[in-house]
Amino acid sequence: DAGVTQSPTHLIKTRGQQVTLRCSPKSGHDTVSWYQQALGQGPQFIFQYYEEEERQRGNFPDRFSGHQFPNYSSELNVNALLLGDSALYLCASGEDYNEQFFGPGTRLTVL
Amino acid sequence: ELKVEQNPLFLSMQEGKNYTIYCNYSTTSDRLYWYRQDPGKSLESLFVLLSNGAVKQEGRLMASLDTKARLSTLHITAAVHDLSATYFCAVDSEGSQGNLIFGKGTKLSVKP
Repeated sequence: DAGVTQSPTHLIKTRGQQVTLRCSPKSGHDTVSWYQQALGQGPQFIFQYYEEEERQRGNFPDRFSGHQFPNYSSELNVNALLLGDSALYLCASGEDYNEQFFGPGTRLTVL
Repeated sequence: ELKVEQNPLFLSMQEGKNYTIYCNYSTTSDRLYWYRQDPGKSLESLFVLLSNGAVKQEGRLMASLDTKARLSTLHITAAVHDLSATYFCAVDSEGSQGNLIFGKGTKLSVKP
């Protein structure tokens, strides 16, 4: 079992651009959550997807959007990138409301 | 609004010493988690605590939960250099399981 996987590992973008990050959940998991971790901070919840619907959302602007596919994989899209969007983006998967398991993360740098 | 506070935020220890990291949270929660994070890496799950009085141990780390005091502790026994990392506690937000609220983390440095 590969566990939770994320791609790409690292990404560099410029302000105003758009980015898409991808996550494949652990086998058997149907729920995917996304977190943003700024340098030196704890992760902050962005949103959670279950059965292809956004089930919960944290305090993030509409520039952050997502999608879950029928195979439970998920994408995080960020539009109109700002310097402050530079962070480690973590994906976590789980079975419904059970414990979540984190992927390796995608390091996004916005210049 | 659920808040999670950890202290200390920075901890420098000598090898062989004992110390405790504290995690306070502001409202009722269903589950409390402890994670370890190495620089540039993701989160490694250490413990999941589900009920009042729960105690779990793995190697030199022991975690406990007091739901009445809304307090969890992570106790380090006879620290070794390999334990150097940042430790986070996190709780499920009230009435919204799966949305984890994290503390700011405790950066632990164990020196010879």
